[in-house]
Amino acid sequence: DVKVTQSSRYLVKRTGEKVFLECVQDMDHENMFWYRQDPGLGLRLIYFSYDVKMKEKGDIPEGYSVSREKKERFSLILESASTNQTSMYLCASTSQGARGYTFGSGTRLTVV
Amino acid sequence: DQQVKQNSPSLSVQEGRISILNCDYTNSMFDYFLWYKKYPAEGPTFLISISSIKDKNEDGRFTVFLNKSAKHLSLHIVPSQPGDSAVYFCAASYSGGSNYKLTFGKGTLLTVNP
Repeated sequence: DVKVTQSSRYLVKRTGEKVFLECVQDMDHENMFWYRQDPGLGLRLIYFSYDVKMKEKGDIPEGYSVSREKKERFSLILESASTNQTSMYLCASTSQGARGYTFGSGTRLTVV
Repeated sequence: DQQVKQNSPSLSVQEGRISILNCDYTNSMFDYFLWYKKYPAEGPTFLISISSIKDKNEDGRFTVFLNKSAKHLSLHIVPSQPGDSAVYFCAASYSGGSNYKLTFGKGTLLTVNP
């Protein structure tokens, strides 16, 4: 089975901190995604990557950046954390041509 | 512009009865549809999918129906069990271009009461 691993299940950070969320997949998938889930808003795409060093903005990229230096790893960076970035962050991956994602377990980030 | 809509934020049913979750889409290019299930503090897990060349797909207690003319799909769970209580997300994609990119609905919280 494909495994998508997010480094932290729960994080608490202070306003203004730089925050790194890490995601690793073990099935050589080309495509990786970062979503956030908020009540009533569903899953919203922040950024995605279809290859190493390639990235595209999703629907809500403001306040975030990403890094994909290796195929298996996709990092989400909050440049200066704010309280409105408190959310559940979900990483997903899929292979080229596949029609569904495999998600990680999520990181619950609280910014205080 | 929300291309995939789940208009019911929540649904409550009795154990043993049928649960019907609905999803509407606006983009006629969509040709593949999926349902994901999500428990609190966990990532979504794939449940069932359907291609636009079909109008029904069944997997155990779960059946997805697709009505292309109405741009509507539904997920039926029969019989419903308390362990089915979760948020269900409908998702869609289309061939060509970024066919790996899914568009999600906002989700429906299903509660199955014992």
